[in-house]
Amino acid sequence: GESVGLHLPTLSVQEGDNSIINCAYSNSASDYFIWYKQESGKGPQFIIDIRSNMDKRQGQRVTVLLNKTVKHLSLQIAATQPGDSAVYFCAERGTGANNLFFGTGTRLTVIP
Amino acid sequence: DAGVIQSPRHEVTEMGQEVTLRCKPISGHDYLFWYRQTMMRGLELLIYFNNNVPIDDSGMPEDRFSAKMPNASFSTLKIQPSEPRDSAVYFCASSWGNGYTFGSGTRLTVV
Repeated sequence: GESVGLHLPTLSVQEGDNSIINCAYSNSASDYFIWYKQESGKGPQFIIDIRSNMDKRQGQRVTVLLNKTVKHLSLQIAATQPGDSAVYFCAERGTGANNLFFGTGTRLTVIP
Repeated sequence: DAGVIQSPRHEVTEMGQEVTLRCKPISGHDYLFWYRQTMMRGLELLIYFNNNVPIDDSGMPEDRFSAKMPNASFSTLKIQPSEPRDSAVYFCASSWGNGYTFGSGTRLTVV
């Protein structure tokens, strides 16, 4: 079956520094990936997505990198702010599928 | 757009009671998903619908769980009878194409 896992369960960074959150996936047939942010008491919130035919995509202060060779996904947050403190999940979708499988999540704490 | 709306936000019930969670997807979205989130297992897909038809319910833990989608604007997840191990946050999400949007969840506590 499909599985998505994260290397680091927690990450602490100083305000203003860049953050990198990593994710490994096992299904080489997955063709779509999403990063979500979840704040306490809230549902997952879409951050950025990437299709498997791309290796990089940039948003506002965020960049997602996809390395299909090693089945690795990362989320880079530039100039991390206290409001970025949350749990971040990667999710994958298999080719032809409609449902998302989620990783276990990484808790990001931004130190003022 | 009000987004995906779930109710109630919190539910505390006694073991053995029936629990019904509700979801209103975003208008125009053709897929609806029910997820459960726990510390031990993370976010797990329970069931999902396409155009009100259940497509995959393999994630439903057991027969005590059932889900319905009588129309495009409403879905329910029912647990009967509830057990303490059902305590979790239950999320509903809807999608159209690549746009997946989650509700705020229902925190269920079974005592």
